[in-house]
Amino acid sequence: KQEVTQIPAALSVPEGENLVLNCSFTDSAIYNLQWFRQDPGKGLTSLLLIQSSQREQTSGRLNASLDKSSGRSTLYIAASQPGDSATYLCAVQGGNSNSGYALNFGKGTSLLVTP
Amino acid sequence: NAGVTQTPKFQVLKTGQSMTLQCAQDMNHEYMSWYRQDPGMGLRLIHYSVGAGITDQGEVPNGYNVSRSTTEDFPLRLLSAAPSQTSVYFCASTNGVADTQYFGPGTRLTVL
Repeated sequence: KQEVTQIPAALSVPEGENLVLNCSFTDSAIYNLQWFRQDPGKGLTSLLLIQSSQREQTSGRLNASLDKSSGRSTLYIAASQPGDSATYLCAVQGGNSNSGYALNFGKGTSLLVTP
Repeated sequence: NAGVTQTPKFQVLKTGQSMTLQCAQDMNHEYMSWYRQDPGMGLRLIHYSVGAGITDQGEVPNGYNVSRSTTEDFPLRLLSAAPSQTSVYFCASTNGVADTQYFGPGTRLTVL
């Protein structure tokens, strides 16, 4: 069974800092990896999708990398802002799952950016 | 496009009651799925569908029923609610195995 782990579970940083969130997975036979943002009491918003053949994706201040062979991904947030405060979820698609479409989620990293 | 919509947003049930959580998408996606999110457990797949008339079980299917009569709708039925089904339920859809998955806003269910 695919296991997805996110480190750290919680992170507090002052505004302006660059930060890295980590995600690891046990089965490298994935189709893709997706990073989501979840605000308290809200749904999931997709941030970045990295296909298994890709090494990284960028969107604004966000950069996500994927090393499929080692089962690792990182989400880099540049110049953090208080509005970045949320829970960030990593999910992999494929591997040893019930359905090729199913997502296996990590438990998330709760980020707090203080002014 | 409204994307993925879910109703209701909140629901309180008594043990043994039944209800249906509604999910609809207007993106013509073939694949739809239901997840539950519990503290400390992350999101877990309940049921999924790869097209109208086709459904299958996910990781935690017990106590839930689904059907898919149209491309747009994928309701989740609780036949006899139990306190262990207290959770936040999310519906998702995608166009293909290599595509972004889109999530609804969730239904927060409490079973007393």
